[in-house]
Amino acid sequence: DAGITQSPRHKVTETGTPVTLRCHQTENHRYMYWYRQDPGHGLRLIHYSYGVKDTDKGEVSDGYSVSRSKTEDFLLTLESATSSQTSVYFCAIKPGPRAYEQYFGPGTRLTVT
Amino acid sequence: GQQVMQIPQYQHVQEGEDFTTYCNSSTTLSNIQWYKQRPGGHPVFLIQLVKSGEVKKQKRLTFQFGEAKKNSSLHITATQTTDVGTYFCAGRADNDYKLSFGAGTTVTVRA
Repeated sequence: DAGITQSPRHKVTETGTPVTLRCHQTENHRYMYWYRQDPGHGLRLIHYSYGVKDTDKGEVSDGYSVSRSKTEDFLLTLESATSSQTSVYFCAIKPGPRAYEQYFGPGTRLTVT
Repeated sequence: GQQVMQIPQYQHVQEGEDFTTYCNSSTTLSNIQWYKQRPGGHPVFLIQLVKSGEVKKQKRLTFQFGEAKKNSSLHITATQTTDVGTYFCAGRADNDYKLSFGAGTTVTVRA
């Protein structure tokens, strides 16, 4: 499982509240990714990181911000949650500079009411 | 940007039958990967194809990368109940650390 954990695993929150999801890895991987998964859309990239304090936007970054102050943690923040952000969020890592496959965490199911 | 399309979206299969899912990219890919997600689970990496025309097999699963490196297929023979889940393809362009995922093919199996 590449030593990836996500917290919380489930969360229900109200529209307009801030939410932070955490991805933690134990194997010192440089590249980390946040995806959201919605029916009919597969996995869509929100943000990714290629090192401490180095992040970039994915295809669906509006309404999300990220931070990576330590190699092992990649945080995804919804500054003001909306119902359209109800989704399952997956974190993933890329295991090395010449390896392009990704390994996923268990996911966080977020419901915004 | 790069788009990866996958068909069919759903595949209902009688146990023991074969089926194929297809993946097409709007641009030439450096490599393509396949993932499987069991119901309630997370995507799990299955295989990566790199070369034009490459074919790889994993037991009853056969993966193929097109000659133009813009399409791929996954063929499963003698489907079993353990094959239930959603299969995603994901393409990567040259000099890119991101993957573009298809929408997935969700497979159900009738015993």
